[in-house]
Amino acid sequence: DADVTQTPRNRITKTGKRIMLECSQTKGHDRMYWYRQDPGLGLRLIYYSFDVKDINKGEISDGYSVSRQAQAKFSLSLESAIPNQTALYFCATLDGNVGNEQFFGPGTRLTVL
Amino acid sequence: AQKITQTQPGMFVQEKEAVTLDCTYDTSDPSYGLFWYKQPSSGEMIFLIYQGSYDQQNATEGRYSLNFQKARKSANLVISASQLGDSAMYFCAMREKSFGFQKLVFGTGTRLLVSP
Repeated sequence: DADVTQTPRNRITKTGKRIMLECSQTKGHDRMYWYRQDPGLGLRLIYYSFDVKDINKGEISDGYSVSRQAQAKFSLSLESAIPNQTALYFCATLDGNVGNEQFFGPGTRLTVL
Repeated sequence: AQKITQTQPGMFVQEKEAVTLDCTYDTSDPSYGLFWYKQPSSGEMIFLIYQGSYDQQNATEGRYSLNFQKARKSANLVISASQLGDSAMYFCAMREKSFGFQKLVFGTGTRLLVSP
């Protein structure tokens, strides 16, 4: 089984709809991240979380919110989706005590029409 | 200001040849880490190699090596003996410590195409 899972893997939605992307991990890592990837722009950080009580905005948090329901779960919400939020979204985890490497989920491809 | 710069949008190499993918970075933090990730067409992000700012030797992982030139702030990825399966996007990234928390900043990527 994958260590970092994302659901759904693909989603098509309409402008104005509320969307939730979910991330779960079995690695026991304390730190979790949400990134979006756009062509030509690489990955950009949306939100990150040190633990369930610590949520921080990344460089492009406008239009997004997150919830860290448990150490293993970190959800990203688009309250009112817009077309320029069409992108590939990645969740990642890190062991803050020993880690250098961030482990990425498989990605969620979101299309907002 | 760009933290990570990858100036090669695309690179071509023939199978079995070596290729160097460029990456320059900008930071004032004396403690940092540099990463390379591979993203094949299937979309997942695959960790390749890591170099810490205090590491004395260049990192190597199999066919991958990182040419770390600290004074020039460059961290180029060298792939030796290219294979067809190396065709992918490659991202350079840097870890910076912000209030003790680790974030990754990514470059815009280089698309590598390996031809037979």
